Amino acid sequence: EVQLLESGGGLVQPGGSLRLSCAASGFTFSSYAMSWVRQAPGKGLEWVSAISGSGGTTYFADSVKGRFTMSRDNSKNTVYLQMSSLRAEDTAVYYCAKNPEVMPTYNWFDPWGQGTLVTVSS
Amino acid sequence: DIQMTQSPSSLSASVGDRVTITCRASQSISSYLNWYQQKPGKVPKLLIYAASSLQSGVPSRFSGSGSGTDFTLTISSLQPEDFATYSCQQSYTTPLTFGGGTKVEI
Repeated sequence: EVQLLESGGGLVQPGGSLRLSCAASGFTFSSYAMSWVRQAPGKGLEWVSAISGSGGTTYFADSVKGRFTMSRDNSKNTVYLQMSSLRAEDTAVYYCAKNPEVMPTYNWFDPWGQGTLVTVSS
Repeated sequence: DIQMTQSPSSLSASVGDRVTITCRASQSISSYLNWYQQKPGKVPKLLIYAASSLQSGVPSRFSGSGSGTDFTLTISSLQPEDFATYSCQQSYTTPLTFGGGTKVEI
């Protein structure tokens, strides 16, 4: 069974940094791209970033480009989202999700982790 | 960026009803359209991928259709467990974008 477990969320001040982790199990991790999707309180879903299976290619939403980086450690079956220069509008539940192929383009998210809440506030 | 517009934003329905939700893309996305279901406080769940392919384990009362810019999600006979928010997502190009969601209520 595929399992994704996010961690690292919490309260951070505007301008601060935070690193989210997503530990995966139940599949050959390096063979699949991974993505982060967020959901602000009471709002819809917003794709944030994606990374190829090798980690060599990353993609970002314009809203986080230059502030967030995404990486993965295939030896630890873990993907990371490093967030910096955080803003109030980054407050959301952050989900990691598995893509069905090694590249994250032209495909979908399944399954999703339980999510981790990031709150940006002074 | 490709904008995804869902309609309606909410709807009221009864058990047994046939429900149709529409998703329109701001430009052609071929069949690169996926549908998710999310219940309150729960994680999104993939229902349909590539416009019309039913994800494993999803009941056959769910179906998807469309290509180009116009897509539909149909629930043939609404069940109590189907009351949720449904969102479409295009995977044609980055940035990947979601529709605003359709809340299906009693």
